[in-house]
Amino acid sequence: AQKVTQAQTEISVVEKEDVTLDCVYETRDTTYYLFWYKQPPSGELVFLIRRNSFDEQNEISGRYSWNFQKSTSSFNFTITASQVVDSAVYFCAPTGGYNKLIFGAGTRLAVHP
Amino acid sequence: ETGVTQTPRHLVMGMTNKKSLKCEQHLGHNAMYWYKQSAKKPLELMFVYSLEERVENNSVPSRFSPECPNSSHLFLHLHTLQPEDSALYLCASSQDFWRGNIQYFGAGTRLSVL
Repeated sequence: AQKVTQAQTEISVVEKEDVTLDCVYETRDTTYYLFWYKQPPSGELVFLIRRNSFDEQNEISGRYSWNFQKSTSSFNFTITASQVVDSAVYFCAPTGGYNKLIFGAGTRLAVHP
Repeated sequence: ETGVTQTPRHLVMGMTNKKSLKCEQHLGHNAMYWYKQSAKKPLELMFVYSLEERVENNSVPSRFSPECPNSSHLFLHLHTLQPEDSALYLCASSQDFWRGNIQYFGAGTRLSVL
């Protein structure tokens, strides 16, 4: 079965610290996509990044970067120089089936001033 | 503002009531989704519509009845719900329903069933 494990339930950091959110997934598909979404207290899920399984090049986008390792089924997400506005629940989600997002339990990030 | 609007934002209903949740997208997308987020389970997909046709029903009880009259609007009709149906219901849309399309979410409707 397809499954996502976000082992870190809650992370607390002080502003300007770097923080890495871990994600390990299981999938039976040979090609797939991976997403990270953020859910602030207002409730809506905000798209952050998308990665396909056949390109393992890691990238940086502003303060966000990610490390995709297909061999270990991991897709970790890093925020550099965290800010209070980054406080939210972060979800890792591979796709299954058509465009079905398989969500993990999420990691709650609290950034303190 | 993601271009996906959900109404109402909050809803309280009794188990014998009938109510509807509404979702509207202004992104010109062809696929729309309903997700459920409860306190005890991860976000889970309920329904997927593509060009007004249902393409996936993720074993959802019949007391939830979706409707997609056009590609911009999606409804979730609710009747005889149970207290365990209390949750945040999120709507999303994407260009189409092929794998990898980015889904854009609304702010959700927080439903309480008494």
